[in-house]
Amino acid sequence: DFQMTQSPSSLSASVGDRVTITCRASQGFSNALAWFQQKPGKVPKLLVYAASTLQSGVPSRFSGSGSGTDFTLTIRSLQPEDVATYYCQKYDRAPLTFGQGTKVEI
Amino acid sequence: QVTLKESGPVLVKPTETLTLTCTVSGFSLSNARMGVSWIRQPPGKALEWLAHISSSDIEFYNTSLKSRLTISKDTSKSQVVLIMTNMDPVDTATFYCARIIEGSGSLGFDYWGQGTLVTVSS
Repeated sequence: DFQMTQSPSSLSASVGDRVTITCRASQGFSNALAWFQQKPGKVPKLLVYAASTLQSGVPSRFSGSGSGTDFTLTIRSLQPEDVATYYCQKYDRAPLTFGQGTKVEI
Repeated sequence: QVTLKESGPVLVKPTETLTLTCTVSGFSLSNARMGVSWIRQPPGKALEWLAHISSSDIEFYNTSLKSRLTISKDTSKSQVVLIMTNMDPVDTATFYCARIIEGSGSLGFDYWGQGTLVTVSS
């Protein structure tokens, strides 16, 4: 079965830190990789699509990169409002698998 | 304005069948490239993709749950329905529907419903 493995599962960083979350796919695929931010009790919010394109309205401190099997979400300078759980997801074809999430705390 | 809204029972008993409806507005399910998926999230746990119905009515399922799931759509009602059989307490979750514009240039799941919490308990 196709799997998306995110790491780390959680992290604690300070305001202003650079934060990197990785997502590794069990098989290579196109760049149809999205990153979502989910705050407690809220609906997931699309941050990045096509591996590296920032969704409209998303702060520029967020960036995505990668291809094939390895993808990365970077927060350039962590802010208090970035406390959330982040998920990667492939969306080119079924299964539209999510990673298991990375909880970011300050 | 694109919106999706989930509806269905908030409580089901073990072994019962769950039927959820996603009503969409602001776009048409008959439009080319418009697909809708169902996703669930148990309390405190990760998102799990369940099923997808494509613009051309092709159905896709999470292989681990395939035997229990059926997805369908009624274009005239702007609704996508998910049926999940033999519910168990471990299926307690918030269920979301989400839209995707399929194919080249897709943004992925750009619009989500608010989610509906379904509790499985006797």
